[in-house]
Formats: sequence, structure tokens, C-alpha cells
Amino acid sequence: DGGITQSPKYLFRKEGQNVTLSCEQNLNHDAMYWYRQDPGQGLRLIYYSQIVNDFQKGDIAEGYSVSREKKESFPLTVTSAQKNPTAFYLCASSTSETALNTEAFFGQGTRLTVV
Amino acid sequence: AQSVTQLDSHVSVSEGTPVLLRCNYSSSYSPSLFWYVQHPNKGLQLLLKYTSAATLVKGINGFEAEFKKSETSFHLTKPSAHMSDAAEYFCGGSQGNLIFGKGTKLSVKP
Repeated sequence: DGGITQSPKYLFRKEGQNVTLSCEQNLNHDAMYWYRQDPGQGLRLIYYSQIVNDFQKGDIAEGYSVSREKKESFPLTVTSAQKNPTAFYLCASSTSETALNTEAFFGQGTRLTVV
Repeated sequence: AQSVTQLDSHVSVSEGTPVLLRCNYSSSYSPSLFWYVQHPNKGLQLLLKYTSAATLVKGINGFEAEFKKSETSFHLTKPSAHMSDAAEYFCGGSQGNLIFGKGTKLSVKP
């Protein structure tokens, strides 16, 4: 079935560690996104990518890094510079970041907890 | 700049009564607008989307939304709430980038 797969579902990080969240899609979508979700704050955009080997910072990119080496994959690394990484992370994709009338398809999310 | 505002952070209704979740948008141009639903610890599922073909949009699970340009609104409604509708709902917009409101948590009382 076509869709977006995020892994792992739950992730625990020690202080000072980098961790990488996986996001894979087989929808042949050009655009991919990472959002962070905290209670009462909705979805905040971390990074987005319109095409392979290109990506842009969103509203809260500090302490995060991404890569887009393949169309299907858009991994997110939470670095030790991110001071408050405990949150629910959602990956999404769409046919085109700039096209109108295009909705996003979401993965099931990864819950990251600092221990 | 484009923005989406959900006017209520929490809405509580009784089962069988109507649901109204409010969303306003701010955009210089005609946007694409969406409503998503999120159940706990899950991703977002598309309920419906406005694509300028019709101002009244019907979605899944009996939900619908009406685009009102004069009021810059895209409110989500359902005639009769069901217990399974309890979830968080997000209004979103697309005009070169996908942005979302802060969400409205819907509680349904028996």
C-alpha cells in the first residue's frame, strides 16, 4: 500500500546524544516536511524539501538537521544542540510544495523522549 | 503572509448534537484549505479540502465545511456528534507552503 512510514514509533534519547528519525514515502511525492507537535502549540514546521538534494528551514530549525538524498526518504536528526527535544514528530509529503490544491499525507509520528 | 487561526482550543458537545469548529484564514490570494483529524498518538488524517470548485465541501465521517470568502472563514460542521468524533482537529492552508492552526480538541459527552 502507498503511504508514509515513520520509524521508530517511540524513541528515547540521552542528554547530549544525536538521534535520527526515519521517514520514508512510496507515494512518488516531490515535497516532504517535518513538523514538531507540542501540546497546545499545533504543528510547527522544522524543515521542508521540495526536491532531492534541496531543503529549507522552517520556523523552528535550530538544533535539527535533515538530508534529502533520495526522493523517498527525508530523515531528521535531532542534535544535542536542541535543548528541549521531547515532543511528537510528524513527517508529511505532498505532490508539490508550491502547487495549489495539494494536501499533505502524514506518517503516524515518532514520540521522542529525553531521559 | 498567509495564516490560519482556529478560534477555539477546546470544544465540548453532547453526543447527537451539532459540531462547529471554527477556522479563519488570512491570505492575499485564494488559498487551498483543509481540515485534518488526529487521534491520540497518531498522524493526521485528511477530512476534507477546499479546492475552489465548490464553496461547500463534504468530507468523510459526515463532516462538511463551507468556504466563505467575505468572512475569510472555513468552519467545520457535523449535524450530529458521535463518540468516535472525539479527537483533535487541525485547519490547514496551502499557498506555497503548508501551515496549520493550533488545533481544536473536540470532546463528546455521552
